[in-house]
Amino acid sequence: KAGVTQTPRYLIKTRGQQVTLSCSPISGHRSVSWYQQTPGQGLQFLFEYFSETQRNKGNFPGRFSGRQFSNSRSEMNVSTLELGDSALYLCASSLGGGAPQETQYFGPGTRLLVL
Amino acid sequence: AQSVTQLGSHVSVSEGALVLLRCNYSSSVPPYLFWYVQYPNQGLQLLLKYTSAATLVKGINGFEAEFKKSETSFHLTKPSAHMSDAAEYFCAVSPYNNNDMRFGAGTRLTVKP
Repeated sequence: KAGVTQTPRYLIKTRGQQVTLSCSPISGHRSVSWYQQTPGQGLQFLFEYFSETQRNKGNFPGRFSGRQFSNSRSEMNVSTLELGDSALYLCASSLGGGAPQETQYFGPGTRLLVL
Repeated sequence: AQSVTQLGSHVSVSEGALVLLRCNYSSSVPPYLFWYVQYPNQGLQLLLKYTSAATLVKGINGFEAEFKKSETSFHLTKPSAHMSDAAEYFCAVSPYNNNDMRFGAGTRLTVKP
């Protein structure tokens, strides 16, 4: 079974621009979660989507948004980019039953650099 | 709110030595605890998870962790370090009713030849 895939792997943008990142979950997984990883703040939860609906949300500004399609693929969008948005963005998929012990499988991440 | 604290941002061991990475959790309810490993330029890979079935949890690559409620700890160990174990390790806790996983700050493990 193919793992979680994320595209693109690397991205360079300038302040004020917007960016869209894509995540394809493992086949059969219906939940997709997004995390931001930075040296200063570590790994932080952005949001989770299940059945095309945002089920949980972390503490990030409204510039960060996402969506999920009927095939469970998910996109994350960041508008009006700031320098502090430079990070590794990780996507994780799981079956989606909602149980807290459910294993999340992570993709390789998209590294975003904002200049 | 549930959280985890990883003691030591950097740990260095010699090849063949014991690996001990420390993680303490804070939770008012029985937690679900995880250890993940991240190799350079890669995502996170699950090593093992505690789901209350057994206090000693065995994972991949020879790692194991013991859940100690009295010490609120879930330390990761491996009897004999290998060069390929050099990576960053994250302890995480999952809240009772959602997928909002909370990660520790990470511990970078260096293995010296």
